Amino acid sequence: NAGVTQTPKFQVLKTGQSMTLQCAQDMNHEYMSWYRQDPGMGLRLIHYSVGAGITDQGEVPNGYNVSRSTTEDFPLRLLSAAPSQTSVYFCASSYSPSAGIYEQYFGPGTRLTVT
Amino acid sequence: AQTVTQSQPEMSVQEAETVTLSCTYDTSESDYYLFWYKQPPSRQMILVIRQEAYKQQNATENRFSVNFQKAAKSFSLKISDSQLGDAAMYFCAYRGGATNKLIFGTGTLLAVQP
Repeated sequence: NAGVTQTPKFQVLKTGQSMTLQCAQDMNHEYMSWYRQDPGMGLRLIHYSVGAGITDQGEVPNGYNVSRSTTEDFPLRLLSAAPSQTSVYFCASSYSPSAGIYEQYFGPGTRLTVT
Repeated sequence: AQTVTQSQPEMSVQEAETVTLSCTYDTSESDYYLFWYKQPPSRQMILVIRQEAYKQQNATENRFSVNFQKAAKSFSLKISDSQLGDAAMYFCAYRGGATNKLIFGTGTLLAVQP
């Protein structure tokens, strides 16, 4: 299994540009989520999905869109990049809480810089 | 809303010594889980240990153990026989029982001195 994969690893954008961060998992996990990590603030939840076709907002959703058309993929879209979105982005996946397996598996992260 | 607080931004320990990282949390839920994650310079998030709130026994994983004080809402991580490879950022995290959403503390950067 490849686990959770993210592309790209690094990205530089200009203010106002749009882009999509890709996330895929091959463990048949129902639950997928996106976090951003900023210095001194830990990881904060942006959006999450409990299954294909179902998404919801996390703590810091503004400026980001998500969709979940398949179980495997959960892309994160920045519609109009702003310097405040400079961060490291992590995708994570896990089984549903009812499965009784608690670990979340994290991707390697994407470092995004918006100038 | 649930919160997680790590009051030690940085810690240092000598190789082979023991260090304890602190974490407190606030919740009104009775069913929840607590985690410690390690983030080395590679940036990869690695699960170190987890604790189910309904379990009274403290979790242990090799050199890593926790001191879970439910009434005090405290969840500290003890690293015994510290090794150079333990140097990393450590995050405490909370998860409610019916959700997979993780709430993270701000992290503690651990340095291990040879």
